[in-house]
Amino acid sequence: SQQGEEDPQALSIQEGENATMNCSYKTSINNLQWYRQNSGRGLVHLILIRSNEREKHSGRLRVTLDTSKKSSSLLITASRAADTASYFCATDALAAQGGSEKLVFGKGMKLTVNP
Amino acid sequence: NAGVMQNPRHLVRRRGQEARLRCSPMKGHSHVYWYRQLPEEGLKFMVYLQKENIIDESGMPKERFSAEFPKEGPSILRIQQVVRGDSAAYFCASSPLGYTQYFGPGTRLTVL
Repeated sequence: SQQGEEDPQALSIQEGENATMNCSYKTSINNLQWYRQNSGRGLVHLILIRSNEREKHSGRLRVTLDTSKKSSSLLITASRAADTASYFCATDALAAQGGSEKLVFGKGMKLTVNP
Repeated sequence: NAGVMQNPRHLVRRRGQEARLRCSPMKGHSHVYWYRQLPEEGLKFMVYLQKENIIDESGMPKERFSAEFPKEGPSILRIQQVVRGDSAAYFCASSPLGYTQYFGPGTRLTVL
């Protein structure tokens, strides 16, 4: 079953504005990660936040994690047209056997930044 | 250090044929994961391998799909007797022990 669910599913903003995406998940996690995918391309890792962290920054990105609400948010400040992409949150899910840290992805959110 | 490499990038097969997808992990990475992405969907885990071992194949369809990661050479995802529903993007990711997974560019499989 899908673990992460991004909200909203699509967002259109103007260059320079901030974009906020939310992700909710269902079970306990070790880490939550955000990835970006440009149309027809592979995934680019943006940021990882551990379950004992509440906030993390990387350049124009700010990620928060609230484990009590099982939710995370990704904020992109001062957006650029090049930020146009789909964004996915992914949580790790330890397998019952073998300790496989497979990632469970949400359906993604399409961000369009208009010049 | 080259990233994760996948080939081919695009693969067209007719129903009933076999599809072989290859993944070369990043140098020094001994863990390989395969994911499938249907249009407008997120990625779904298929299988996790270490060298010569399948660790977790809980996401693999029971029939027609197999994966290997031999001691030498790339990881292979093999789909036998493909059907139209197999059309998707297949992504490989690699990681060192238990850390961030780095994704390849994907192979887009189209079944006619």
